[in-house]
Amino acid sequence: DAGVTQSPTHLIKTRGQQVTLRCSPKSGHDTVSWYQQALGQGPQFIFQYYEEEERQRGNFPDRFSGHQFPNYSSELNVNALLLGDSALYLCASSDGPHSNQPQHFGDGTRLSIL
Amino acid sequence: QKEVEQNSGPLSVPEGAIASLNCTYSDRVSQSFFWYRQYSGKSPELIMSIYSNGDKEDGRFTAQLNKASQYVSLLIRDSQPSDSATYLCAVKGPNAGNMLTFGGGTRLMVKP
Repeated sequence: DAGVTQSPTHLIKTRGQQVTLRCSPKSGHDTVSWYQQALGQGPQFIFQYYEEEERQRGNFPDRFSGHQFPNYSSELNVNALLLGDSALYLCASSDGPHSNQPQHFGDGTRLSIL
Repeated sequence: QKEVEQNSGPLSVPEGAIASLNCTYSDRVSQSFFWYRQYSGKSPELIMSIYSNGDKEDGRFTAQLNKASQYVSLLIRDSQPSDSATYLCAVKGPNAGNMLTFGGGTRLMVKP
C-alpha cells in the first residue's frame, strides 16, 4: 500500500519562473494538504484540497495556487518565484477534511530558486 | 507570540539517557497534538499522537499532555545515536480542519 508520493524530488528554478509540484495521496484518502518548510523552520500550512476545491488556506500569497483532480491527486503551483520560495514542499493526505487521524507526509519536493 | 513554541536546541544527551523535549501552545482550544521526527534532508515522520491529558507510551517514547498548562512533551528513554534528529511538535484546533500548526523544532543530539 503506497503512502503519499510526491514528484519531483528536487527542482531548480530561477526567479520569476513558475513551478508545478505533484502529490498522490495514500490509497483511500481523498484530502490533500500542502506545507512549506524553509530551512531550519517547522512546516507552514499552505492550503488543503477536498472534493477538488480549496477548503482552507494559510497565510500565503495568491502566487501559490493548487488543484485537485478527480482521482484525488493534487498539484501545487507557484508563480513569479522569489528567492524566499526556496524550501521543502510537503504533501500530506487524510480521509476527509476534518479527520482526527494523524497526517503522514510524503518525501517532499526540494525547490531551489537561483 | 508564536502559536507553538519549542526550544531550538541543540539538546545534547549521552547514549542511554532520557531525552526530554518540550512544547507550549497558545490556542487553549487545541485538541490534537503530534510529535514528528525529522532527519536532516528528509520529511517529517510521525512518532506519537496524543489527544487527552496524561501520558501515552509507545515503546521508548512517552508523550505527556497538560491542557491546563498548554504544554506537551516527549520523553525518549534509552536514547540512541539514531534518535539524533529534529523533533517537531504539531497542534490542531477543533475548527482547523486538517491544518497542523508546527513549532520550529528541537534538534536532539545523542552522543555515544
